[in-house]
Amino acid sequence: AQSVTQPDARVTVSEGASLQLRCKYSYSGTPYLFWYVQYPRQGLQLLLKYYSGDPVVQGVNGFEAEFIKSNSSFHLRKASVHWSDSAVYFCAVIEDSNYQLIWGSGTKLIIKP
Amino acid sequence: EAAVTQSPRNKVAVTGGKVTLSCNQTNNHNNMYWYRQDTGHGLRLIHYSYGAGSTEKGDIPDGYKASRPSQENFSLILELATPSQTSVYFCASGASANTEVFFGKGTRLTVV
Repeated sequence: AQSVTQPDARVTVSEGASLQLRCKYSYSGTPYLFWYVQYPRQGLQLLLKYYSGDPVVQGVNGFEAEFIKSNSSFHLRKASVHWSDSAVYFCAVIEDSNYQLIWGSGTKLIIKP
Repeated sequence: EAAVTQSPRNKVAVTGGKVTLSCNQTNNHNNMYWYRQDTGHGLRLIHYSYGAGSTEKGDIPDGYKASRPSQENFSLILELATPSQTSVYFCASGASANTEVFFGKGTRLTVV
C-alpha cells in the first residue's frame, strides 16, 4: 500500500518566523497532492492542491508548497507565521492509478509569541 | 464554498444502543466519505459512496454500516455501539475521485 509520511508530529515556531512542514509520499506514479488545515474542533479545510504544471503552488493565507518529484516530497512553507496559524496540518495524496485518497498523520503547529 | 453539514454535533450513546450520524451536502457531489479521527491514528476511512444507492467499505468498516439514500445524504449507522467507537466522526464530499474533498465540522460521539 502507498503511504504519506509527515515525520514531525509537532512543530514549534516563533511568530514571524518562517515555516516548513514536511510531507513525503511513496508512489511512483503521478500523484494529486493536497495540504489541509484543521483548526480546533473544526473539520479539515483545503489550503492548496497540486495537480500538474508549476511545481510551486500558492494557497490561502500566504502558504505555498513545492512538489519535488525526484524526492517524492510536497513540503508546505510560509514566510512569516502568525499566531492564528496554530492548527494541525495534514498532507494528502491521491494516486492516479486507483484514485485512493491517502492521508498523512498530521503535524501540529504551535506558534510561540 | 462546498457545504457539508453533520448532525448531531455531539452525541452521548449507551453501549449496545443504535446510533445514526447524518450528513448532508448541497453541492451535488458524487462522492461522500465517513472518517473517524482519533489521537495517534489520524483520519481513518470507514465507508464511502460514489452516488445514491452505493456504499463501499473503507479501511475500518467493522461495526459500522452506511446508507446513501440520495445524492445529498449519507448516514453512518452503529447498530450496537461500543465504547471503542468513541471518537470524532467526519463526513466529507468530493466531486470526483481525483479532486479535493470538503469536510463537515464533525460529530463528537461518546459511548458510555
